[in-house]
Amino acid sequence: AQTVTQSQPEMSVQEAETVTLSCTYDTSESDYYLFWYKQPPSRQMILVIRQEAYKQQNATENRFSVNFQKAAKSFSLKISDSQLGDAAMYFCAYRSARRDDKIIFGKGTRLHILP
Amino acid sequence: NAGVTQTPKFQVLKTGQSMTLQCAQDMNHNSMYWYRQDPGMGLRLIYYSASEGTTDKGEVPNGYNVSRLNKREFSLRLESAAPSQTSVYFCASSPGPFISYNEQFFGPGTRLTVL
Repeated sequence: AQTVTQSQPEMSVQEAETVTLSCTYDTSESDYYLFWYKQPPSRQMILVIRQEAYKQQNATENRFSVNFQKAAKSFSLKISDSQLGDAAMYFCAYRSARRDDKIIFGKGTRLHILP
Repeated sequence: NAGVTQTPKFQVLKTGQSMTLQCAQDMNHNSMYWYRQDPGMGLRLIYYSASEGTTDKGEVPNGYNVSRLNKREFSLRLESAAPSQTSVYFCASSPGPFISYNEQFFGPGTRLTVL
């Protein structure tokens, strides 16, 4: 069975600095998708960035980028120029490319932004 | 578009009471999901429906039932609520199956307390 591990329950970063959130996953499949979701205090789950496993190029979305290491089964999220609005819980998630489209979530990393 | 809507937003029940959480999406998605979120546990899948007329158990189905009423609506029922079911419940939908990425879109959540 696939698993997703986020080893950092909480992190803090100074405003305007860069922070990297770690995520590792375990799978025997070669074709899959990876996601980072953000959950601010409002509780709303928001998709931040996504990556297809067959794409070697790392995904980027404005200040958010990933470091996808397929062989190491690692999918870290880098947030550049951190802003107060980035304070949230961040979840890493995995989905197989097979017919079964369930998503497996990690337990989350709570990110604090220090002014 | 409203996206994914959930009712109610908050609910307090006594042990043994029953209730139904409602979820609707207006994105013409095929797949719908119910999750629960507990502190330190991330999101755990309760039930999902890959298409209208089908439902399948997720990771934590005990104590719950679901109904995929039509393509838009997917309800979650607690027949006899227990304190262990105190949680935040999220409904989600996705275009899938067989859709690239098939990312999930989430509702705002329902905070349920069982006394």
